[in-house]
Amino acid sequence: KAGVTQTPRYLIKTRGQQVTLSCSPISGHRSVSWYQQTPGQGLQFLFEYFSETQRNKGNFPGRFSGRQFSNSRSEMNVSTLELGDSALYLCASSSLSGVDEQFFGPGTRLTVL
Amino acid sequence: GESVGLHLPTLSVQEGDNSIINCAYSNSASDYFIWYKQESGKGPQFIIDIRSNMDKRQGQRVTVLLNKTVKHLSLQIAATQPGDSAVYFCAEKGSGGSYIPTFGRGTSLIVHP
Repeated sequence: KAGVTQTPRYLIKTRGQQVTLSCSPISGHRSVSWYQQTPGQGLQFLFEYFSETQRNKGNFPGRFSGRQFSNSRSEMNVSTLELGDSALYLCASSSLSGVDEQFFGPGTRLTVL
Repeated sequence: GESVGLHLPTLSVQEGDNSIINCAYSNSASDYFIWYKQESGKGPQFIIDIRSNMDKRQGQRVTVLLNKTVKHLSLQIAATQPGDSAVYFCAEKGSGGSYIPTFGRGTSLIVHP
């Protein structure tokens, strides 16, 4: 069974731009969570989607948004990029919402210049 | 929110030794804890978990110990191998009924052959 895939793997943007990241969960998994990982703050929860609905949301500004499609694929969008948004963005899938074991993708490395 | 932290940022061991990685948590209401391993260029990988109604759980070469009295969590790796070299971090989940996980900052384990 294929693992969680994320595209693109690397991305360079400039301040003020917006970016869309994509995540394809493991086949059959309906929950997708997004995380931001930085050296300074570590791994922080952004939001979780289950059956196209946002179930939980972390403490991030409204510039960070996401959505989930009927095939469980998910996208996250960051508008008006700031230098501090440079990070590794990780996606994780699980079979159900709130299920303990999550499977992480390799992440998208976003650099904001 | 309340934090989950680690005592040692870097741990160097010789191949074959046992490794112990520690984690302190501050939310006494947390009821579920997870250890992850993250290798360079990869997403976090689930290692082992433990619920608050247990104080010890064993997996293959790994053991997690939970001391709720002092709010301390540890991961023990037996017969450490070079392939165990990675960043390890703990996470708490389920505090107050919330699904949002909180992650520790990570400990870098270096195994010398």
